[in-house]
Amino acid sequence: AQSVTQLGSHVSVSEGALVLLRCNYSSSVPPYLFWYVQYPNQGLQLLLKYTTGATLVKGINGFEAEFKKSETSFHLTKPSAHMSDAAEYFCAVSPLPVGANSKLTFGKGITLSVRP
Amino acid sequence: NAGVTQTPKFQVLKTGQSMTLQCAQDMNHEYMSWYRQDPGMGLRLIHYSVGAGITDQGEVPNGYNVSRSTTEDFPLRLLSAAPSQTSVYFCASSYSSFGELFFGEGSRLTVL
Repeated sequence: AQSVTQLGSHVSVSEGALVLLRCNYSSSVPPYLFWYVQYPNQGLQLLLKYTTGATLVKGINGFEAEFKKSETSFHLTKPSAHMSDAAEYFCAVSPLPVGANSKLTFGKGITLSVRP
Repeated sequence: NAGVTQTPKFQVLKTGQSMTLQCAQDMNHEYMSWYRQDPGMGLRLIHYSVGAGITDQGEVPNGYNVSRSTTEDFPLRLLSAAPSQTSVYFCASSYSSFGELFFGEGSRLTVL
């Protein structure tokens, strides 16, 4: 069994400030970890993913996330927020070695607002 | 490429009515799936398919039927709509069961 915890439902930052969106997971096997972003009135799109190898993963639009096994975390960060980053962000986990999309479990999502 | 196309984008039904949400992809993806998105609950998998003629249940399949007669299309049927099925529905596809998911723009369904 696996689960994803995204604490809080809304994060607000000023433009140019650090973005930190937290994600903790539980999994009985080594996980694949994902961050998806959903812009208003659009479907989800993949931001970045961790499968194996380097624990610091870089994604699109300047976002990155670090897999910390000891903390069972996969927090998403961006050094400087832009207005266009305002969206809903979902963390997701899938079990290795299967890694199948049908086993993908999503968190409840966090809405990021960016203040001018 | 259009990617993943869902129709309709909005639909209002009365309890007990039936309808079909359409999903089509033009990327020759083998894997297709349907999710529902409810506030504070993230996305939950309804049904999925790993290829034409093959479908399976996800986490929340009750009240929904699917079929996969072609690689391109994966319709989701509600046989007797209930208010609990009010949600936003997303279709997603991937070149395989392990590949990146590509999502449609969603279909917002309201059941009165």
